[in-house]
Amino acid sequence: DAKTTQPNSMESNEEEPVHLPCNHSTISGTDYIHWYRQLPSQGPEYVIHGLTSNVNNRMASLAIAEDRKSSTLILHRATLRDAAVYYCIRTTIPYGGSQGNLIFGKGTKLSVKP
Amino acid sequence: GAGVSQSPSNKVTEKGKDVELRCDPISGHTALYWYRQSLGQGLEFLIYFQGNSAPDKSGLPSDRFSAERTGGSVSTLTIQRTQQEDSAVYLCASSSQFGMNTEAFFGQGTRLTVV
Repeated sequence: DAKTTQPNSMESNEEEPVHLPCNHSTISGTDYIHWYRQLPSQGPEYVIHGLTSNVNNRMASLAIAEDRKSSTLILHRATLRDAAVYYCIRTTIPYGGSQGNLIFGKGTKLSVKP
Repeated sequence: GAGVSQSPSNKVTEKGKDVELRCDPISGHTALYWYRQSLGQGLEFLIYFQGNSAPDKSGLPSDRFSAERTGGSVSTLTIQRTQQEDSAVYLCASSSQFGMNTEAFFGQGTRLTVV
């Protein structure tokens, strides 16, 4: 059970910003929010992660709601190469383990139009 | 190499045969994950390791599937008596430390075809 909810698909135009939403209403105080993406015929690649504060890196920004029940991945200027499936993941420590596990949901398939 | 390495990249096997899939994580990474991805589907979690131990085996689909990790490094996923429904891409990932404040790096996967 991924415990996150994302739209199945979204479309964007090239060079425009993209906001990919994710709901995680049952998140606990120690759960991180991770985003990965998977380009066609490749393994997933890390995009960004955060706990409470908004985060920025060279690939994207992550905006986390104040109540932490939702977050938004922001691609500031979409390129054709950004067409991929984007996964929002809530990392949860399973019973008996101290390493957060990564359980993938179905993700959002992002299409970018030239 | 600098990344997660999986071998073989492709494997075709006959139904009923056993197969072993190998994952070489990034050197020093303590956590290692196995997933499988059927055609057009999302990633299905199989198992993860902290060092050599596997705290969570709940994702293994049946007792035909097993995995081990030795020396805190290389991991092997074994599928016994393969079935056609085992056909998928098997992905391995590793991360550097305990805890959730870290990123995981994925290999390119092993494409398994059971005929």
